[in-house]
Amino acid sequence: GQQVMQIPQYQHVQEGEDFTTYCNSSTTLSNIQWYKQRPGGHPVFLIQLVKSGEVKKQKRLTFQFGEAKKNSSLHITATQTTDVGTYFCAGRVVGGSQGNLIFGKGTKLSVKP
Amino acid sequence: EAGVTQFPSHSVIEKGQTVTLRCDPISGHDNLYWYRRVMGKEIKFLLHFVKESKQDESGMPNNRFLAERTGGTYSTLKVQPAELEDSGVYFCASSQVRPGEQFFGPGTRLTVL
Repeated sequence: GQQVMQIPQYQHVQEGEDFTTYCNSSTTLSNIQWYKQRPGGHPVFLIQLVKSGEVKKQKRLTFQFGEAKKNSSLHITATQTTDVGTYFCAGRVVGGSQGNLIFGKGTKLSVKP
Repeated sequence: EAGVTQFPSHSVIEKGQTVTLRCDPISGHDNLYWYRRVMGKEIKFLLHFVKESKQDESGMPNNRFLAERTGGTYSTLKVQPAELEDSGVYFCASSQVRPGEQFFGPGTRLTVL
């Protein structure tokens, strides 16, 4: 079936270091969303990317959507302890159901103060 | 504005029993989604309602799962009879716009013994 692969599965960084998580789809996506889940919490929407090659920034977070709309990345500059959590990408396949989000397995980020 | 609520937060049942999960979406959100996360795996789409109609139920695992949304407000997800592999966290999400941001509830952690 359709899959979105996300790497790495875990990332441990020292506070102040950068962090990047990558998603790759086997099929072209119409859009991709990113969510963050804090420990013990639920996924919270961060952003949606729609256009090929799109780059969006939210403070220290930079989101990219690949030219072929098959991959995406989330980069955090100078991590802080508040960045701890699991980051998920979730894409919609071109021609697929509007409601059906395909999630990656997530990247669990831990930040050592 | 109240968020998406789910009840119960935890449920522990024995194999063969029935469990009903409830989701109350954000008021005014016509789109309601059910997802499930089995331990160690990705969040998987189960189904999508638009108001009271099932728009996409392609992710429902089998006919032991029954989702309803009578009146287009809250939704229930019934598992009957429950099996061991049904254990996991069941998330409900709602959205105002179909391809847009989804607001997740806190989830129901189901354990089938």
